[in-house]
Amino acid sequence: EIVLTQSPATLSLSPGESATLSCRASQSVGSDLNWYQQKPGQPPRLLFYHASNRATGIPARFSGSGSGTDFTLTISSLEPDDVAVYYCQQRNNWPLTFGGGTKVEIK
Amino acid sequence: EVQLLESGGGLVQPGGSLRLSCEASGFTFNNYAMSWVRQAPGKGLEWVSSFGGGVGDTHYADAVKGRFTISRDTSKNTLSLQMNSLTAEDTAVYYCAKSGKPFDGRGYYWFDCWGQGTLVTVSS
Repeated sequence: EIVLTQSPATLSLSPGESATLSCRASQSVGSDLNWYQQKPGQPPRLLFYHASNRATGIPARFSGSGSGTDFTLTISSLEPDDVAVYYCQQRNNWPLTFGGGTKVEIK
Repeated sequence: EVQLLESGGGLVQPGGSLRLSCEASGFTFNNYAMSWVRQAPGKGLEWVSSFGGGVGDTHYADAVKGRFTISRDTSKNTLSLQMNSLTAEDTAVYYCAKSGKPFDGRGYYWFDCWGQGTLVTVSS
């Protein structure tokens, strides 16, 4: 099973600051890495698939990058609406796995 | 508009069974792999099961293998999850999720649409 480790567990930043979220895989997943945003009380929403392909309706201030074992989700100019838990997910191997999540808070 | 509507959750005793359903609309249901993902209270996301191109193309997490069965009724645009021998560890919100591209031998298992979820509580 491929283990995805997300860091940090919590990120507390001021509005306008840039957020950098990390997802590290226990073995290479190529570019088969996806990102989701989950706000309280809501289902997850797809942000990126195939590491860097932005999903429909996702603002350009969100960006995804990486390949192999190291991936990054960047939120430039953080807004209050970005408060959420962010998850990575790999589809390279069965079983599909999710990271433990990074909670983004606003100071 | 793509929509997924789960139903069938509820309170069940340990050892009991429950059948979840997910009614899909707004897309050609038969063309997409579909999955179940769960989230225990206050915890992260956990993939449960996926249905790809046909009956032989089903996948399960080790935690549910042998107890849960995923199926699809294309005539009703419905994905189902039969859950048997339930334990407290199965308590979670269960989400139905649609894959991001039509199935073409590969399932494209990123999830571009999610239902609102149905809560399953296993307790005596």
